[in-house]
Amino acid sequence: GAVVSQHPSWVICKSGTSVKIECRSLDFQATTMFWYRQFPKQSLMLMATSNEGSKATYEQGVEKDKFLINHASLTLSTLTVTSAHPEDSSFYICSAIQWQGYGYTFGSGTRLTVV
Amino acid sequence: KQEVTQIPAALSVPEGENLVLNCSFTDSAIYNLQWFRQDPGKGLTSLLLIQSSQREQTSGRLNASLDKSSGRSTLYIAASQPGDSATYLCAVSQYSGGGADGLTFGKGTHLIIQP
Repeated sequence: GAVVSQHPSWVICKSGTSVKIECRSLDFQATTMFWYRQFPKQSLMLMATSNEGSKATYEQGVEKDKFLINHASLTLSTLTVTSAHPEDSSFYICSAIQWQGYGYTFGSGTRLTVV
Repeated sequence: KQEVTQIPAALSVPEGENLVLNCSFTDSAIYNLQWFRQDPGKGLTSLLLIQSSQREQTSGRLNASLDKSSGRSTLYIAASQPGDSATYLCAVSQYSGGGADGLTFGKGTHLIIQP
């Protein structure tokens, strides 16, 4: 089956620093990847859609200059949280789709804590 | 804008019981519906994927139905076990014609199966 690997699984960083999260599709090519954010006891909220070789599409209210997304290959998308602040602390999870009829496969998520 | 609602928000039952989790969505123009399981602090595990043209899907003790016209889906869990304890998420996708869209999630049903 389709497998998506996400690293790191958790990270603690100081306020003002940047953090990069990687999302890889291991056994399929993903032309489209998605990034979600989940606050405690809340559901997953779509942040952005990442298409290989083009700029990401961000959802309303998501700062594109703060959450930099790069999808340089068919198997790798990265999310960089720039100048992180404590309010960016959250659970970030990526998803990839091989083709829409197949459904979405999710990574294991990254717990970001900004201190 | 699509909205997904899950009822109940929480459920606690003794093991062995059969139970039903409900999901409703406001825009019936979906591409597919997916049920996920999320364990605390973990990523998502896909349970069942129902295409918009399908009425139900089954996997082991799980059965999911879809009534697209009324905007409803149910997840039926037979003979529940303590290992079924988790948060169950319902999510729908819509196809914009320009490519796959991200999923819209409900807030989930937090399920506890008492030994």
